[in-house]
Amino acid sequence: DTGVSQDPRHKITKRGQNVTFRCDPISEHNRLYWYRQTLGQGPEFLTYFQNEAQLEKSRLLSDRFSAERPKGSFSTLEIQRTEQGDSAMYLCASSPDWYEQYFGPGTRLTVT
Amino acid sequence: DQQVKQNSPSLSVQEGRISILNCDYTNSMFDYFLWYKKYPAEGPTFLISISSIKDKNEDGRFTVFLNKSAKHLSLHIVPSQPGDSAVYFCAASAGAGNMLTFGGGTRLMVKP
Repeated sequence: DTGVSQDPRHKITKRGQNVTFRCDPISEHNRLYWYRQTLGQGPEFLTYFQNEAQLEKSRLLSDRFSAERPKGSFSTLEIQRTEQGDSAMYLCASSPDWYEQYFGPGTRLTVT
Repeated sequence: DQQVKQNSPSLSVQEGRISILNCDYTNSMFDYFLWYKKYPAEGPTFLISISSIKDKNEDGRFTVFLNKSAKHLSLHIVPSQPGDSAVYFCAASAGAGNMLTFGGGTRLMVKP
């Protein structure tokens, strides 16, 4: 069991650029979640998948954000036309259809 | 509206003493509660959880208490150790596999 992995760990980008993050969940977990955390706050839910189906999206997920999980394994989160307000830690978690979710190390995004 | 609140942003405790971290919630649909621990530059690590049908769950030095009528839960760490110094997040879920709603966190500092 290698845990949840995320790539890259850090990303610095200029405002207006597109960025894509990847998450590899724990292999037997069929649920995958994306959260965003800003300084001094708790993680905030963005979206989640059961297998390849995207079941719920937060209103925080503007139309510049898109997430996919094409084969029910890894997932990608893309942010188009980044803004400074997108600077945050993006966390991925996975779960075996139960309550406990297991988090990856996160991708820290800095938009300059 | 914040459905999960941790009203103490920080707590300082002497090594060997008890640490008590508190959490309040407002949503009556929450049926499961979790505590996560987070070190800087890492993702949250699952610590302990409790179902709404219980009022106490214990795991080694960690005990979580739930008071449903008061919509309040607490995490007790006994005895506290310097390695426990981290940010602790309370989270709640309304249904297995659903999103987690997090509090803002409490930074615990355990002094040697």
